[in-house]
Amino acid sequence: EPEVTQTPSHQVTQMGQEVILRCVPISNHLYFYWYRQILGQKVEFLVSFYNNEISEKSEIFDDQFSVERPDGSNFTLKIRSTKLEDSAMYFCASSVRQLNEQFFGPGTRLTVL
Amino acid sequence: QKEVEQDPGPLSVPEGAIVSLNCTYSNSAFQYFMWYRQYSRKGPELLMYTYSSGNKEDGRFTAQVDKSSKYISLFIRDSQPSDSATYLCAMSRAGGSYIPTFGRGTSLIVHP
Repeated sequence: EPEVTQTPSHQVTQMGQEVILRCVPISNHLYFYWYRQILGQKVEFLVSFYNNEISEKSEIFDDQFSVERPDGSNFTLKIRSTKLEDSAMYFCASSVRQLNEQFFGPGTRLTVL
Repeated sequence: QKEVEQDPGPLSVPEGAIVSLNCTYSNSAFQYFMWYRQYSRKGPELLMYTYSSGNKEDGRFTAQVDKSSKYISLFIRDSQPSDSATYLCAMSRAGGSYIPTFGRGTSLIVHP
């Protein structure tokens, strides 16, 4: 069964460093998403991406965040200068169409020291 | 008032029990209602998806939406230890992007 994959599973970085989180969505899906979940809190939407551009973003997705689909398979989230409060699980998701079920990856745990 | 409220639990039940999980919400624009299951260190997995009010059944799972009370429920019949997970409710508006707004999740423990 096809699934969304994410790498790395755990990333530890120093405050102020740049990190890139990687995702491989399901191959025939057209919509891609990033969410984050701070420990003990709810899953929060960051950004959605369709047709090689951002279709929607939340207030959390400020100038330090960017997304890219550098090739036909990968979908990345870059955090330019990490802060302590960026420590969270980051989930990638994809869907065939906008209203269809979103399939989530296993997440990347980001720890900022 | 938060948009989506969900008791974090934990809710501990014996195997075979009927489980009731609930969420309330404040935004009457929500039209799509979802329940996700999240195992430890895994991403959320969609269990049930309903539009507007009413009931929907899928095997041991029943989702119920009462829009007049802004209240949704997930019932699990004949609960199993493998049902032990965190259950997230989520909802989205009709039209636009359909991006879900999640509750905090309820931790369910089914003990043998």
